[in-house]
Amino acid sequence: DIQMTQSPSSLSASVGDRVTITCRASQSISNYLNWYQQNPGKAPKLLIYAASTLQSGVPSRFSGSGSGTDFTLTISSLQPEDFATYYCQQSYSAPLYTFGQGTKLEIK
Amino acid sequence: EVQLVESGGGLVQPGGSLRLSCAASGFTVSSNYMIWVRQAPGKGLEWVSIIYSDGTTKYSDSVKGRFTISRDNSKNTLYVQMNSLRVGDTAVYYCAREGTAVGAPKYYYYMDVWGKGTTVTVSS
Repeated sequence: DIQMTQSPSSLSASVGDRVTITCRASQSISNYLNWYQQNPGKAPKLLIYAASTLQSGVPSRFSGSGSGTDFTLTISSLQPEDFATYYCQQSYSAPLYTFGQGTKLEIK
Repeated sequence: EVQLVESGGGLVQPGGSLRLSCAASGFTVSSNYMIWVRQAPGKGLEWVSIIYSDGTTKYSDSVKGRFTISRDNSKNTLYVQMNSLRVGDTAVYYCAREGTAVGAPKYYYYMDVWGKGTTVTVSS
């Protein structure tokens, strides 16, 4: 199985900050990498697929990059609604999908 | 509006069974790949099962032989029958639609529509 490791596990930041979350795959997955946002008690929401393609309706302050084993999710200017938990997910070994353990983004 | 609504969760004893439902609206379940994902309390997301538009099914090793994914085309509804339940199956269960995009050398897959989830608690 492909293991996905996110860092950091938690992160404190302020409104307006630029933040970056990292996801590393245990083997090369090309750009078969998705990012999701989950608010407490809610379902995950797709933000980015194919490592860098923004899902329709997602604000442009979200961006993704990377290929191979290392990927990043960047939020250019944090908004209050962005404080949530973020998960990466590989689709390279579809349908044996695996997710990262999550990164909780908290207000400083 | 594209929507998924899960139901059927509850409290069940270890070794028991439960069937979860996921009613879809705004799109056709049978024309899409449909997925179950679960999330144990305070934990991350875990892919459970998929049913393809041709009816082929796949399962994670953790549920293989115990869970069965299916659909009722007339009701536009996805199901998962869960047997021999274990304490470790306790989780919120989400159904999701799998979206696709052309990629090279293979398609990109992602979960673009999610239900709100239904909670399964396995406890004596």
